[in-house]
Amino acid sequence: DARVTQTPRHKVTEMGQEVTMRCQPILGHNTVFWYRQTMMQGLELLAYFRNRAPLDDSGMPKDRFSAEMPDATLATLKIQPSEPRDSAVYFCASGLQGTANGYTFGSGTRLTVV
Amino acid sequence: KNQVEQSPQSLIILEGKNCTLQCNYTVSPFSNLRWYKQDTGRGPVSLTIMTFSENTKSNGRYTATLDADTKQSSLHITASQLSDSASYICVVSAGSGGYQKVTFGTGTKLQVIP
Repeated sequence: DARVTQTPRHKVTEMGQEVTMRCQPILGHNTVFWYRQTMMQGLELLAYFRNRAPLDDSGMPKDRFSAEMPDATLATLKIQPSEPRDSAVYFCASGLQGTANGYTFGSGTRLTVV
Repeated sequence: KNQVEQSPQSLIILEGKNCTLQCNYTVSPFSNLRWYKQDTGRGPVSLTIMTFSENTKSNGRYTATLDADTKQSSLHITASQLSDSASYICVVSAGSGGYQKVTFGTGTKLQVIP
């Protein structure tokens, strides 16, 4: 089965450090999402790419978060500097616009900022 | 403001019993509604997708209904199994054309006990 691959699976870092999370979407998918999930807020959309172009990043704190797709096989989410409130599970999902299929989620990166 | 509310927040049922989860939304203009199952520590997995013209869709023991007039959806699980223990998330997309705004419910946590 095709999968969305996220790395790393777990990351523990100190406050103030830079964190980079990576996502390899399913080959052929043209839509990529970054989500954050916490117990308090549930799933929140951070950023949304279509054909590698950012369509919506209004859910992302722009002063410290940045999301990019340097090529069709890689999406990155960077936090600099990280803060304890950024601790969450970060999911990447990909899909193909115009199909009736759901988005496929990766297994997530569990980030802990201490 | 686009909102998706799910009920109940949590539910415990005996193995073999049926249950129904609810999702109410105020998203506009409605595009589609998806139900996802999320096992602990994993990414969400798509169960069903419904557009405006569809009012019921099944996936095995899962049956989703949609009433676009009252803006309500339900997910019915028949003959529950222990493996159904998970969080069930309702996701509603708004908009048309190339851009859609995605709003997540906070989920219903289902526990099936023997």
